[in-house]
Amino acid sequence: DQQVKQNSPSLSVQEGRISILNCDYTNSMFDYFLWYKKYPAEGPTFLISISSIKDKNEDGRFTVFLNKSAKHLSLHIVPSQPGDSAVYFCAAASGNTGKLIFGQGTTLQVKP
Amino acid sequence: GAVVSQHPSWVICKSGTSVKIECRSLDFQATTMFWYRQFPKQSLMLMATSNEGSKATYEQGVEKDKFLINHASLTLSTLTVTSAHPEDSSFYICSARGREYQPQHFGDGTRLSIL
Repeated sequence: DQQVKQNSPSLSVQEGRISILNCDYTNSMFDYFLWYKKYPAEGPTFLISISSIKDKNEDGRFTVFLNKSAKHLSLHIVPSQPGDSAVYFCAAASGNTGKLIFGQGTTLQVKP
Repeated sequence: GAVVSQHPSWVICKSGTSVKIECRSLDFQATTMFWYRQFPKQSLMLMATSNEGSKATYEQGVEKDKFLINHASLTLSTLTVTSAHPEDSSFYICSARGREYQPQHFGDGTRLSIL
């Protein structure tokens, strides 16, 4: 049973445009959500997080939106840059345990 | 940002060998460390959670006698794959977290290949 789903395996965007990566979850006990970026043969790099008491968190070019009623979160990257090309994982947790449940990942390609 | 170091990055060894992987948090105290395994083209699967000074909690289906975890200090956790076999070949990644509701920071992983 996949508790965290990223339904788009890949996304291609032109440089300078917005990249929107989506993630859905099923467990209403999740109260902390994170996005990670990953290159092959490396560990994930933390990008941005949001707790369930908020619906938006912004850090530079990265913004995460949380819609609790829809159990949906998204990551917006504006403007997209070629260096953003990587696999993006969303993850969810019940914050006190810290156990992350990862989605399957979305491969983002930003074309120059 | 927070730095987690994982060593070694690549191990090739014969079947039956035991392999130890180290995970260190370099600039923060990690009250909790996590060990993951990633198969090709799949997501990260949590294997176990370890809190400093206590026994690790293993996820369902993970053999605790096969994958020994020690979290002896606030900056170091080790994973030992005992009597490794070819099916244990995988990419193992550790992460560390300070307090609750803080992000986990990941090491760069260890590629384990058992011949």
